[in-house]
Amino acid sequence: DQQVKQNSPSLSVQEGRISILNCDYTNSMFDYFLWYKKYPAEGPTFLISISSIKDKNEDGRFTVFLNKSAKHLSLHIVPSQPGDSAVYFCAASREGAQKLVFGQGTRLTINP
Amino acid sequence: DTAVSQTPKYLVTQMGNDKSIKCEQNLGHDTMYWYKQDSKKFLKIMFSYNNKELIINETVPNRFSPKSPDKAHLNLHINSLELGDSAVYFCASSRRATNEKLFFGSGTQLSVL
Repeated sequence: DQQVKQNSPSLSVQEGRISILNCDYTNSMFDYFLWYKKYPAEGPTFLISISSIKDKNEDGRFTVFLNKSAKHLSLHIVPSQPGDSAVYFCAASREGAQKLVFGQGTRLTINP
Repeated sequence: DTAVSQTPKYLVTQMGNDKSIKCEQNLGHDTMYWYKQDSKKFLKIMFSYNNKELIINETVPNRFSPKSPDKAHLNLHINSLELGDSAVYFCASSRRATNEKLFFGSGTQLSVL
């Protein structure tokens, strides 16, 4: 029973364009959402988060959007750069649960 | 200085052996975790410790035994290794136990032959 799903295993985007990564969740109790970025042979690194009281959070080139009614969040990267090529994981948690539940990741490739 | 460090990075061993993975964090965090990334690439929590106390044990076989000698260390010992244990194991830490971002180590690639 996978509560967090990233249905696109891979995405290829031209450098300079917008990258949009999507994530769906099933547990309506989730109230905190995060995106992680992972390079090969390294651990995931935190990118950006959003609380369920907001519907948007922005940090430089990265913006996360949350649609609670659709149980959907997305990560926008603009403009995309070659260094953004990595696997992106979305994760969710709920207050008191003491753990993050991760999606299976989307491999983003930025083409020059 | 690496914030969360785990050793070894690669571990190749035979079925039936016992092995350990060590993890240390220098962030002063209260909570530490072990996550497993399986062949389907999902990152799934195995254990969580808060101030040396076990708070999550996510239906992991008894062959896996975590040990937290202090708040900065969380080791994972695996007895009688099986083929299905082959995976990447990540250690992580967070400032507190709930709704906090995790800081991950670089992972241990375990291959059981």
